[in-house]
Amino acid sequence: DTGVSQDPRHKITKRGQNVTFRCDPISEHNRLYWYRQTLGQGPEFLTYFQNEAQLEKSRLLSDRFSAERPKGSFSTLEIQRTEQGDSAMYLCASNGAGYTFGSGTRLTVV
Amino acid sequence: EDQVTQSPEALRLQEGESSSLNCSYTVSGLRGLFWYRQDPGKGPEFLFTLYSAGEEKEKERLKATLTKKESFLHITAPKPEDSATYLCAVQSFDQTGANNLFFGTGTRLTVIP
Repeated sequence: DTGVSQDPRHKITKRGQNVTFRCDPISEHNRLYWYRQTLGQGPEFLTYFQNEAQLEKSRLLSDRFSAERPKGSFSTLEIQRTEQGDSAMYLCASNGAGYTFGSGTRLTVV
Repeated sequence: EDQVTQSPEALRLQEGESSSLNCSYTVSGLRGLFWYRQDPGKGPEFLFTLYSAGEEKEKERLKATLTKKESFLHITAPKPEDSATYLCAVQSFDQTGANNLFFGTGTRLTVIP
């Protein structure tokens, strides 16, 4: 058990480009979550998977955002046509007996 | 709608000076209240989950307590390595909150040697 892994740790992209982040949860956890955190704020819920099924999406998840979890293992979060307001830390968590967070991907849109 | 308010926003303590952080919450039905520690540039690190009023949990210099309206994180004789942002989150029985955590904005703790 190596915890929740996220890749990349940092991403700088130009406005309008697409970006994709990956999350590898703890292997035996069937629930996976994506959160977004901006400076000075707590994490905000984006979406939730149970196994491969995406069961809940926040209204924060605009049409430019899409998440997948093929085969119920790793998950990807894609942001299309990035905007400066998308700059944030994107956190993944998986849930067995409790919520375990990864170290996050810091996105900077310039 | 779920609400979580943490106070103070920032706290500076001398090493060894005990204090408490507050988390006030409003939920339709509390499923669990969570405390996390977050270091700069890292993800939140789980500390405690509390489920019902009157419950208490301890870990080293930290003790979390829960009432029907708020939770306290007591820090006894803090050390510089306890410096971090402490986040409180709630999970509710409400349909929209049953599968995720709703976080407060955190208390940024600095412990001065």
